[in-house]
Amino acid sequence: GEDVEQSLFLSVREGDSSVINCTYTDSSSTYLYWYKQEPGAGLQLLTYIFSNMDMKQDQRLTVLLNKKDKHLSLRIADTQTGDSAIYFCAENKVYGQNFVFGPGTRLSVLP
Amino acid sequence: EAGVAQSPRYKIIEKRQSVAFWCNPISGHATLYWYQQILGQGPKLLIQFQNNGVVDDSQLPKDRFSAERLKGVDSTLKIQPAKLEDSAVYLCASSFGEYNEQFFGPGTRLTVL
Repeated sequence: GEDVEQSLFLSVREGDSSVINCTYTDSSSTYLYWYKQEPGAGLQLLTYIFSNMDMKQDQRLTVLLNKKDKHLSLRIADTQTGDSAIYFCAENKVYGQNFVFGPGTRLSVLP
Repeated sequence: EAGVAQSPRYKIIEKRQSVAFWCNPISGHATLYWYQQILGQGPKLLIQFQNNGVVDDSQLPKDRFSAERLKGVDSTLKIQPAKLEDSAVYLCASSFGEYNEQFFGPGTRLTVL
């Protein structure tokens, strides 16, 4: 497809794991990113992964990359209420438009 | 270090009026980006500068939008004349290095009536 795709909503219980999925467009994209946006704020970079990696772990965050399927996921372990926000995946394309963001997944964490 | 600064934070104008937004990137960041984020959508890249040169402006509606980055530091984005569909948050970001780790400002929320 031509657009970066994400599920729009995800709801989890506090303490559970959250998995946010993304399908990107360009198999030659060099870097893939996850950003977090809280209400009324700009975007905050959570983590990124280079295209030659399969997995990256950073504290509670785990990023998995499947280049064959152009699928990216973000797993948040032990999800807290402070994790409630909108999560965007983005790709740094080699050709054409440099940065393309997905529509965002709104994560709601229930007590 | 200080983050990306943007002003104003909010702006309300009537259609056909002009508006300008200002961005001051993080010191030393060579690359500057302007994004448009319509409510409920992801940011859309409008223009990317490398120092004071334009790298990508393929999604900038050039009949009404213009941007400049004089001296490779601050940048302004202008809309003239504004349309109702320009109502959005305009985000500025800057980056440094090969990973293009972008740091975003708080954005300017524009409402066109």
